[in-house]
Order: sequence, then C-alpha cells, then structure tokens
Amino acid sequence: GAGVSQTPSNKVTEKGKYVELRCDPISGHTALYWYRQSLGQGPEFLIYFQGTGAADDSGLPNDRFFAVRPEGSVSTLKIQRTERGDSAVYLCASSQTGAGDTQYFGPGTRLTVL
Amino acid sequence: QKEVEQDPGPLSVPEGAIVSLNCTYSNSAFQYFMWYRQYSRKGPELLMYTYSSGNKEDGRFTAQVDKSSKYISLFIRDSQPSDSATYLCAISDNQFYFGTGTSLTVIP
Repeated sequence: GAGVSQTPSNKVTEKGKYVELRCDPISGHTALYWYRQSLGQGPEFLIYFQGTGAADDSGLPNDRFFAVRPEGSVSTLKIQRTERGDSAVYLCASSQTGAGDTQYFGPGTRLTVL
Repeated sequence: QKEVEQDPGPLSVPEGAIVSLNCTYSNSAFQYFMWYRQYSRKGPELLMYTYSSGNKEDGRFTAQVDKSSKYISLFIRDSQPSDSATYLCAISDNQFYFGTGTSLTVIP
C-alpha cells in the first residue's frame, strides 16, 4: 500500500539556485498540503490544494515560492533564488477530502541551501 | 499569539511511567484535534484524532479535549522505549496548525 512519497529525500543547493520538490500523494486523495519544518519546530503550513487548484496559499512566505498540481495528483513545490533561510524539511501531506480529514504525511525533503 | 502552544520539553521518563503531554489553543472555533508522533528524520504519523470535546482511547494512548479551557492532552500509559519520539499536537479548521512538538525519551 503506497503512502505519500516525496523526492528527493535530500537536496543540497547553492544560494540563488532554483529547486523543485516533488510530492506523490496517496491515490484518490483530493487534498494535498505542503508544510515547512525547521529544526525544533512543528510543521508550518505553506499551501493547500483541493484537486488542481490552490485553495489556500496564505502560508507561502514570499513570491519566490510557488506550487502546482496540474492533474490533481502529483504536486511540485518550486523555490526560486534560494536563500540560506529556506533550509528546512519540506513535508507533503494528503487527505481524502480536505478540511478536518486525516492527513497522511510523506517522509519529507531535507533542503540545505549553502 | 500563536494558534497552538506546546511545551517543547524535553521530557525524560522511566519505562512504564505514565506520560502526559499538553497543548493549549487560542480559537474556540476549532473542532478537530490531533496528536502526531514523529521519529527523527521521518514525517509525522497520526496517533489520535478527536472531533470536538471528550476523551478517546486507543490502546495505551488516551486523548482528551477540553474545549471550555482550550486545552488538549495526550496520555501514554506503560510507556515503552519505542515511544521515544517527538509528539506534535495539531488543531484544524480549514488549515492545520501544529504545536512545536514535545521531545519524549523513555529510558529502559
């Protein structure tokens, strides 16, 4: 039974570079969430998709961050002009329907910006 | 004010002890309350899910929600070394808000 998968598991990049992080949710889950988790902190909400559309992107910290989910399944989080402060674990979660429903998390992508 | 507050610990207990983990939240409108367990370098794993007030028990784990006090708790009975992890509370309306997590170590 496939859970949420994320690739890559680790990403090291240089300041100013562009990165893409991928999330493959549980099949049939319409809701998909991206979070960022810094060391010693809980996950911080970034964006929520319902189907193909971003239902809530209020957590994206600035316009360097963007996410897409073009076919309502796989999602890509894109970060332009990376900064050292972007270093964190980026977690993806999916749920069957959305609000109030159980979220299932992937293992995360550990991003390090040098 | 953050939506949910959680004491980060760390908390260290002997094997077999009862563990009490707690969070407070700010908005009385929240209806969904969850506890997640997170092992090092892993994603959070759902432990308990509660809708509205009351208690919910699952094996050695009991979740309590007191909406009048805006206080949620997780109790672990007969704690085991394998329970050593970070425990995150979460509350939800349309978004999910997580506490900072409490680091728990159960000493054999």
